[in-house]
Amino acid sequence: TQLLEQSPQFLSIQEGENLTVYCNSSSVFSSLQWYRQEPGEGPVLLVTVVTGGEVKKLKRLTFQFGDARKDSSLHITAAQPGDTGLYLCAGSKETSGSRLTFGEGTQLTVNP
Amino acid sequence: ETGVTQTPRHLVMGMTNKKSLKCEQHLGHNAMYWYKQSAKKPLELMFVYNFKEQTENNSVPSRFSPECPNSSHLFLHLHTLQPEDSALYLCASSQDNPGSTDTQYFGPGTRLTVL
Repeated sequence: TQLLEQSPQFLSIQEGENLTVYCNSSSVFSSLQWYRQEPGEGPVLLVTVVTGGEVKKLKRLTFQFGDARKDSSLHITAAQPGDTGLYLCAGSKETSGSRLTFGEGTQLTVNP
Repeated sequence: ETGVTQTPRHLVMGMTNKKSLKCEQHLGHNAMYWYKQSAKKPLELMFVYNFKEQTENNSVPSRFSPECPNSSHLFLHLHTLQPEDSALYLCASSQDNPGSTDTQYFGPGTRLTVL
């Protein structure tokens, strides 16, 4: 049973388009983190959300944590080829954050 | 630059070989982790070390043997692996503070191929 479901698994879009990636669970998490991983590298943290309903913005990226803290979304506006990568969500059930449960990831390709 | 380095970056080994993966963190963190990343699967947590003590072993086969001599170094000793063990092995570190949300910083990984 997959604890964190990400959708879509693959997404290929043209430069300038908008997109949304989803991370869903039936479990409640104390915090949720989004990472981006590029080929040949480890995941790099983009954002951590901890409060239900929280919205955080990072330039063209908007992250939202669901009110019930069971789901999250990542919206990218006017995607650029540099946004290409594997986007991973990871949930923590302890506020220490030392135990993360990862989703399978969404592989995003932005074509010039 | 994440402050977490891993060597080697690529490793090809036979099923009868013995090899070791090395991870070093320069961030002053107290917790280190080994993860396995396979295609089309979520990252799987293998081992957790906190202040050099192993605090978690997620039912990992004994052909994987971790070692943490100090808070900055973490090894994964490999012996008699199987082809299905081929994957990207990621090391991470964090400052584990109870009551706070701690960021894990990942190394670039070792791409392991078992023939």
